[in-house]
Amino acid sequence: AQSVTQLDSQVPVFEEAPVELRCNYSSSVSVYLFWYVQYPNQGLQLLLKYLSGSTLVKGINGFEAEFNKSQTSFHLRKPSVHISDTAEYFCAVSDSGFGNEKLTFGTGTRLTIIP
Amino acid sequence: NAGVTQTPKFRILKIGQSMTLQCAQDMNHNYMYWYRQDPGMGLKLIYYSVGAGITDKGEVPNGYNVSRSTTEDFPLRLELAAPSQTSVYFCASSYATDSGGDGANVLTFGAGSRLTVL
Repeated sequence: AQSVTQLDSQVPVFEEAPVELRCNYSSSVSVYLFWYVQYPNQGLQLLLKYLSGSTLVKGINGFEAEFNKSQTSFHLRKPSVHISDTAEYFCAVSDSGFGNEKLTFGTGTRLTIIP
Repeated sequence: NAGVTQTPKFRILKIGQSMTLQCAQDMNHNYMYWYRQDPGMGLKLIYYSVGAGITDKGEVPNGYNVSRSTTEDFPLRLELAAPSQTSVYFCASSYATDSGGDGANVLTFGAGSRLTVL
């Protein structure tokens, strides 16, 4: 069985400061990793994904994440945040490239940008 | 292109009442899902479908039923509403093939339906 741990439930950051949102996973097989973002009163949308290849993945809105197999982590980073980045961020893991029913979400990290 | 459309956006039910949350997608996706989101708990999969006529249970199916008569529609039925079913419900869809592909695990979500059971 796979699981995802997002260590921080809330992260306040000043505008234009860098941010890192942490995600650790556990799985007995090869994994595919995702970050989804949920803006206030909206559904989730894909931010970025790692399926294979380069461990540094770039997503929308200047976000990037690095897959670290030895540390079983997939932390999300942005060098300079903006007010519009205020949202909840969900890390997710799947142990199958086919069969999306295996997608497991973390509990989310609420990112608050302070002007 | 509407994407995934959920109705209603808000609903208040009394204990024991029944209702159906509607979900429709116009992207010809084969996979559809229902999740519930509770504060601090993330998203939990209720039911999913890999195509018309095929449905299966997710992590938290008790108290819910689904059907998938067409590719486009995936309604979620609550038969006897209970306060524990107070939540925000999200429908999602995706397209997956035998070879996985770029669309694998990329879910398109609806805007959500907030349900309160009193």
